[in-house]
Amino acid sequence: AQSVSQHNHHVILSEAASLELGCNYSYGGTVNLFWYVQYPGQHLQLLLKYFSGDPLVKGIKGFEAEFIKSKFSFNLRKPSVQWSDTAEYFCAVNPSGTYKYIFGTGTRLKVLA
Amino acid sequence: EAQVTQNPRYLITVTGKKLTVTCSQNMNHEYMSWYRQDPGLGLRQIYYSMNVEVTDKGDVPEGYKVSRKEKRNFPLILESPSPNQTSLYFCASRSGRAPGELFFGEGSRLTVL
Repeated sequence: AQSVSQHNHHVILSEAASLELGCNYSYGGTVNLFWYVQYPGQHLQLLLKYFSGDPLVKGIKGFEAEFIKSKFSFNLRKPSVQWSDTAEYFCAVNPSGTYKYIFGTGTRLKVLA
Repeated sequence: EAQVTQNPRYLITVTGKKLTVTCSQNMNHEYMSWYRQDPGLGLRQIYYSMNVEVTDKGDVPEGYKVSRKEKRNFPLILESPSPNQTSLYFCASRSGRAPGELFFGEGSRLTVL
């Protein structure tokens, strides 16, 4: 079955620390990839997306992600986190040509001021 | 402003009392879907609709119904709510043109006593 794994469920960092959140998926075909962020009490907002082309994609607020096809991974990175990055982060996979979106279980990030 | 609007945002009800959560989008999107978000389980798709009068089951459709009589609206119906349907519900929409990202509503927190 298709699935998305986010191995880090809870991450605590100090401000200015670097961030990397893992995302691995199981699907053999072509995929579209997304990272969404959910700030406390709010809805999911798109951070960045990958459809094709350069596997290193840049999103809003200084986030970036790298698609490594051989590893079925789409890890999210940020060089220096801020307190305002405290949120829950979801990785999602959309097999190309389908309307199916499979979400990971999320990673709760807490950034200490 | 482009948005997905859900109502109600918060609801407490009792077992067996039928309720409807409305969802409306103003982006002329063909695709709409419903998710529920539960701690540790991420987002799971309940139902989706590819266009007017076209709906299909997601991963957790039991206990829910939907209809898509107009392009902009996609209500979620709980005919006889039970406590295990206590959850945070999100409606999302997307353009029919692929690939594309999902746009989410603000969420509806439902408690069934």
